[in-house]
This record gives sequence, C-alpha cells and structure tokens, in this order.
Amino acid sequence: QKEVEQDPGPLSVPEGAIVSLNCTYSNSAFQYFMWYRQYSRKGPELLMYTYSSGNKEDGRFTAQVDKSSKYISLFIRDSQPSDSATYLCAMSELTGGGNKLTFGTGTQLKVEL
Amino acid sequence: EPEVTQTPSHQVTQMGQEVILRCVPISNHLYFYWYRQILGQKVEFLVSFYNNEISEKSEIFDDRFSVERPDGSNFTLKIRSTKLEDSAMYFCASRTGPSAEYFGPGTRLTVT
Repeated sequence: QKEVEQDPGPLSVPEGAIVSLNCTYSNSAFQYFMWYRQYSRKGPELLMYTYSSGNKEDGRFTAQVDKSSKYISLFIRDSQPSDSATYLCAMSELTGGGNKLTFGTGTQLKVEL
Repeated sequence: EPEVTQTPSHQVTQMGQEVILRCVPISNHLYFYWYRQILGQKVEFLVSFYNNEISEKSEIFDDRFSVERPDGSNFTLKIRSTKLEDSAMYFCASRTGPSAEYFGPGTRLTVT
C-alpha cells in the first residue's frame, strides 16, 4: 500500500464549479498536511497548510483533514480557468529536524470556460 | 514576497560528469531541502539539512550526492558521476520552524 494515494485525474470541470480533490494516507504518524499547486515544469506553490483535524479556509480554498479516517481534501469554490494545474497533497511527521514531505502523485485539474 | 531561487533553470551534462545545482533559500529560514521529480512522476524527497548538517536522507541520495551551505545564503546540491537516471527536475525548499516548505522554481537536469 502506498503511503499517500491521490487520484491522478485528469479532472475537467466548467468554470464556476466546486472542485473536490482528495488524498488518503496510511501512515498515522503524519501530523502536517499541505496542498500545493504545480503548473507544468514549475515548482510546487504552497496553497494551504494545516496540522489539525477539521476545516481551514483561505479565500476560495478550503482544506479539510480527517485524521481518524486518514483522509484529506481540498475544495475550490468558484473555480477559474487559472486554477487549471496539478494539485499535490503532501504530508509530514513531527520529527526533530527533518520533517520531510511525502507527496501524492498529484491530480491534474482543468477548468474550462 | 520572499521566495526561493534556483540556478540554473536548465542544466545539460554528459553522463559521468559532475554538476552543482544552486539554491538561495528564503533568508530567515532554518531548514533546507532538496527534492526531485522525474517527468510524469511524483515529487520525491532527497535530503534535509539543518544546523549545517544533514538531518535525513533518502535511499536516492547515495554517495554520489552531497549538499553544502558554503555561506549564509547559498545551498548547493552536487551530483558526481552523473547517470542517465539522474535526469529530473530538482527542487530546493526551505522553511522556518514548524511550518510548510516553500519551493523554488526548480532546475531541470538533463544527463545525456
């Protein structure tokens, strides 16, 4: 079983739709959860960061973490064509200094006019 | 807004040669990382660096790889005796304290 599972898509939605992106994980030691956006051949751009179960909202983005189910989600409201990108979930354990990130494979999103 | 910068954006090298990838992390950050992403695959951890020493490294980070923070601003990844399978995007990242990591734009390494 992979440590982090993410549906690769591609996911195609019309402009204005609500998008739901999800990841599941198997390592119960993961404590920090992040969502990154990556455009083709560019570096991951941090969107959301959380370390507790529940919801965290930032503008059109809401991150949701359910540690009991080992499941995290990112919701995008009023999606725009500029949201078209690959969305990566990432997570890390609480360690002394490393805190390496373990990434999902990424979900490719296309928002169409 | 502060950002992580990387140079060069693209590096082409012949198999067996040495390459040095350079990064300037965000200035007040304390933890530094290298990741790589082979085309079409997920981002993979290579190494973390804190307090002038390696904190953790993956099995990818074999004895051909080394990292250095030669001064107060730069963070480098050196790959000796490059192999075809080293071809990938290499990302530098940094963070301060218990927070998320911020990534640079990447260096595309092509080994021919």
